[in-house]
Amino acid sequence: AQSVTQLDSQVPVFEEAPVELRCNYSSSVSVYLFWYVQYPNQGLQLLLKYLSGSTLVKGINGFEAEFNKSQTSFHLRKPSVHISDTAEYFCAVIPMNYGGSQGNLIFGKGTKLSVKP
Amino acid sequence: DGGITQSPKYLFRKEGQNVTLSCEQNLNHDAMYWYRQDPGQGLRLIYYSQIVNDFQKGDIAEGYSVSREKKESFPLTVTSAQKNPTAFYLCASSSQGVPAEGQYFGPGTRLTVT
Repeated sequence: AQSVTQLDSQVPVFEEAPVELRCNYSSSVSVYLFWYVQYPNQGLQLLLKYLSGSTLVKGINGFEAEFNKSQTSFHLRKPSVHISDTAEYFCAVIPMNYGGSQGNLIFGKGTKLSVKP
Repeated sequence: DGGITQSPKYLFRKEGQNVTLSCEQNLNHDAMYWYRQDPGQGLRLIYYSQIVNDFQKGDIAEGYSVSREKKESFPLTVTSAQKNPTAFYLCASSSQGVPAEGQYFGPGTRLTVT
């Protein structure tokens, strides 16, 4: 079985500071990795994804994430955050041996990023 | 514009009543999903459907029912058997056979049952 752990439920940070949101996963097979963002009372929007190749992936809104296979991690980073980045961020995986549950995302519980002026 | 629509945005019901949440997509996706979101619990899968006229239970299907009569539509009924129905409900879709694309989400419906 697969699982995703987001180590911090809440991350407060000041505007223009760097931020890292941590994500670790557990899986016996290779996975695709995703980060989604959710603004209050809205649906989820894809920030970025890792499928294969370069372990550093860049997404929208200046975010990037690095896949580390040995540590089974996929941490999300931004060098300088804005007030508008205040949202909840979800890490998710899709196992590559999906079989009958093809395409089903397995989510972490989310990290609420709060950017303060 | 292609996308997923959910209606209504907010829904209020009395305890004991069944209620149906709408989800429509024009992305030509084969697969559709329903999630429930509660504070601090992330997203939990209720039901999913990979093709028309077929669907499977997710992790928390008890008290819910779905139908998939058309490719574009995947309505969710919250029945009176659901013990704690107040939550934010999200619908999503994806291309069958292309899981690496991930899922596209609708704007959600917030259901309040009193």
